[in-house]
Order: sequence, then C-alpha cells, then structure tokens
Amino acid sequence: GAGVSQSPSNKVTEKGKDVELRCDPISGHTALYWYRQSLGQGLEFLIYFQGNSAPDKSGLPSDRFSAERTGGSVSTLTIQRTQQEDSAVYLCASSLVTGTTGELFFGEGSRLTVL
Amino acid sequence: AQSVTQPDIHITVSEGASLELRCNYSYGATPYLFWYVQSPGQGLQLLLKYFSGDTLVQGIKGFEAEFKRSQSSFNLRKPSVHWSDAAEYFCAVGGATNKLIFGTGTLLAVQP
Repeated sequence: GAGVSQSPSNKVTEKGKDVELRCDPISGHTALYWYRQSLGQGLEFLIYFQGNSAPDKSGLPSDRFSAERTGGSVSTLTIQRTQQEDSAVYLCASSLVTGTTGELFFGEGSRLTVL
Repeated sequence: AQSVTQPDIHITVSEGASLELRCNYSYGATPYLFWYVQSPGQGLQLLLKYFSGDTLVQGIKGFEAEFKRSQSSFNLRKPSVHWSDAAEYFCAVGGATNKLIFGTGTLLAVQP
C-alpha cells in the first residue's frame, strides 16, 4: 500500500480480554516500530524490529505485551488480559533502513479503550 | 540511557509571531535528532533531522532547528507562525543503530 496501515482503527474491549493490533508497513521497509501514545505521555517506545536481527523489546511494559513480525512484513501487537491503563493509541511506524537514519512513516494508529 | 525532554507542554503564540520550541536530549554518543509534527487527526510527519555537519538544519513548512552540543539542545524555530502550524510537536533522539526515543510533545496553539 501507499502508507502504513493499522487495524482496527478503534477497539473497545472489556478488562481481562486479549486484543490484537495489526500493522502493515510500507512495502520494502526493513524497520518497524510500535509506540504507545497516552495523554501527556508522548510516544512511549514499545518494540523495534530491525531487519533480520532480534527485536529490541526493551520498551514492552509487562509480559502481557508481545509482538511478532511475520516474513519481515506484517506485525501484530498482542495485549493479553487487558487493563484499563492499557487504554491508549498504539502507533506503528516503518522505515526503509534499519537504525534511525531513515525517516519513520507512521500509521494513523489503533485507539484502544479498555472498559 | 537515551532520553528527550520537552519542557513546554503547551505554548500559545499569535499568528505572525516567531516561535521557538525547546528540546533537550541525553545520549551517550553522537545523536541523531529529529522533529516530528502531529496535526489534529493525522499521523506524525517528519519536519527535519540532524545527523552531522551544519548545526542549523532547514526543514519543511519554513521550520529550522539548531543543534547545540554544549547545551544538549535541538530547539525548533519558525520566524512567522501560521494558523495551520497549530499541532503537537515531538522531538526525538536516536543513533546509528538504536531505536528512536520521543519526548512528551509540545502542543502549539495559534491565536488569530
């Protein structure tokens, strides 16, 4: 596609349920990031996939959060046993090159609301 | 550890006035520095970036930023603000192989 695509755009779930958020990066982009944007918190780094290297998972806030990237393309962020504090906008970004020399192209985000 | 501080949460300026948004970073090596803008209801867009060389960098929409190593700063400036510049602005720091870390953002309001 022309840009980074994220789905769903909005997700409302009940506390304790699992959710999956999908990111379809720009074709050919080797780097993929997940960030969480909460009010007043800026963009919180979650995880970074860099080509064929092991992902940098240092930003995942708890073991309820996990992410995978299949075939170097589509990525899924999974949140198990959701809590109200997980409510936020989850942003995905991709870049043509690994490292931070390349411009990040962001999707419009998936807004998660946990009731 | 790398980090970014944007000390101003909200800034209001009059249309036509000059603008400076502050950004301070912490990074143990040569930093790569960025400014992104997020307009209401839209995704983030790159305004400008600094890797090396001339410490004053020009970006899109008439924005510029100056890297000052001695102050660990990368402030964003615009000589004359337009109403369409109202948005949230994020400073970010990374390295050649490191992840990109963002600040908490500065929300800019423009008064007519």
